[in-house]
Amino acid sequence: NAGVMQNPRHLVRRRGQEARLRCSPMKGHSHVYWYRQLPEEGLKFMVYLQKENIIDESGMPKERFSAEFPKEGPSILRIQQVVRGDSAAYFCASSPSAQIYEQYFGPGTRLTVT
Amino acid sequence: AQSVTQLDSQVPVFEEAPVELRCNYSSSVSVYLFWYVQYPNQGLQLLLKYLSGSTLVESINGFEAEFNKSQTSFHLRKPSVHISDTAEYFCAVSDGNQGGKLIFGQGTELSVKP
Repeated sequence: NAGVMQNPRHLVRRRGQEARLRCSPMKGHSHVYWYRQLPEEGLKFMVYLQKENIIDESGMPKERFSAEFPKEGPSILRIQQVVRGDSAAYFCASSPSAQIYEQYFGPGTRLTVT
Repeated sequence: AQSVTQLDSQVPVFEEAPVELRCNYSSSVSVYLFWYVQYPNQGLQLLLKYLSGSTLVESINGFEAEFNKSQTSFHLRKPSVHISDTAEYFCAVSDGNQGGKLIFGQGTELSVKP
């Protein structure tokens, strides 16, 4: 059973470009969470999605960031007009349901903005 | 809002020595507690969890943690560490009322020296 997959593993973008991060949850998991890890900090919750629905986006910056989890395909975290402060590791986690509190994490995407 | 505090950012120890990584959380009616481990350039792996029942929980590789409701703590212990335990350890909490999102502590870097 494949784990949570994220791609790309490393992404370099220049200021002003768009970054798209992909997350494929574990088989049978319909709940996806995105977290951001800034240098020397812990993980911060960004957004929680179920198929085709955003359930909780309380951790998402108000501008430039968006997330989706379509009926078919991976979950996408999109960052428009990236700035250097967006440089971080972005982790995706999945869970089979909201009542199962154990989350399985992917290897992360390390975004570097130059 | 729920919060988690890991009191030590770095813990250096010698191989075969005991170790305790401290974690305190802000009080809530009910919480679910987790320890995750992160090896360099990898995602997070669940080490152990407390959902209900016995307050002492154990992992397969010798770690244990005790849920102490009166002290709002969930400290991680191991009686004898190995070089391979060198990693960053994150304590996390979910109160179950917010869709299962995890609130993480800042992390503790465990460094085991020969």
